[in-house]
Amino acid sequence: DIVMTQTPLTLSVSPGQPASMSCKSSQSLLRSDGETFLYWYLQKPGQSPQLLIYEISRRLSRVPDRFSGSGSGTDFTLQISRVEAEDVGTYYCMQGLQLPLTFGGGTKLEIK
Amino acid sequence: QVQLVESGGGLVKPGGSLRLSCAASGFTFSDFHMSWIRQAPGMGLEWISYISGSATSIYYADSVKGRFTISRDNAKNSLSLQMNSLRAEDTAVYYCARDIPASAWGQGALVTVSS
Repeated sequence: DIVMTQTPLTLSVSPGQPASMSCKSSQSLLRSDGETFLYWYLQKPGQSPQLLIYEISRRLSRVPDRFSGSGSGTDFTLQISRVEAEDVGTYYCMQGLQLPLTFGGGTKLEIK
Repeated sequence: QVQLVESGGGLVKPGGSLRLSCAASGFTFSDFHMSWIRQAPGMGLEWISYISGSATSIYYADSVKGRFTISRDNAKNSLSLQMNSLRAEDTAVYYCARDIPASAWGQGALVTVSS
């Protein structure tokens, strides 16, 4: 199974400041056709997770452009350029290269 | 509008059984593979089962293999999870999710396994 490791566990950021979190996989998520199956989700308090970014950096249309994903191979990053109060929750990365699908342990974003 | 609604959660004793359902709407259900993903209280996300659109491919996590059975009824736009031999560690909120990368999730159904 592919192990996904997220850091830090908790991120405390002031409104308007940037935030960055890391996700590392135990093996490359790059498929032979060039696609990389790394996804980011946000689970707001009391809600179901929602997909934010797919294939490393492709943002869903409803996701604000202050969110961006980057990385390659086994190392990935989710950045928020200017944190807003509505961004609080736990962020999870997930690999979709092979079954079983596996998630990172999550990074909890708090507002200072 | 894509909608997934889980039902069937509840309290069950260890060793017991429970059947979860997920009603899908707002998309052509048979075109999408589906998964069940669970979240134990205060914990992270665990994928547990996958079924292809035509139900020809089915996969399970080792933690539920042999105890849980995923199925779907494309005529009724419905996904199911039959859970047998339940254990305390199966206590979780169970989500149905559409496709990989789980672009849509239900609101979840709480399953509590306790005597």
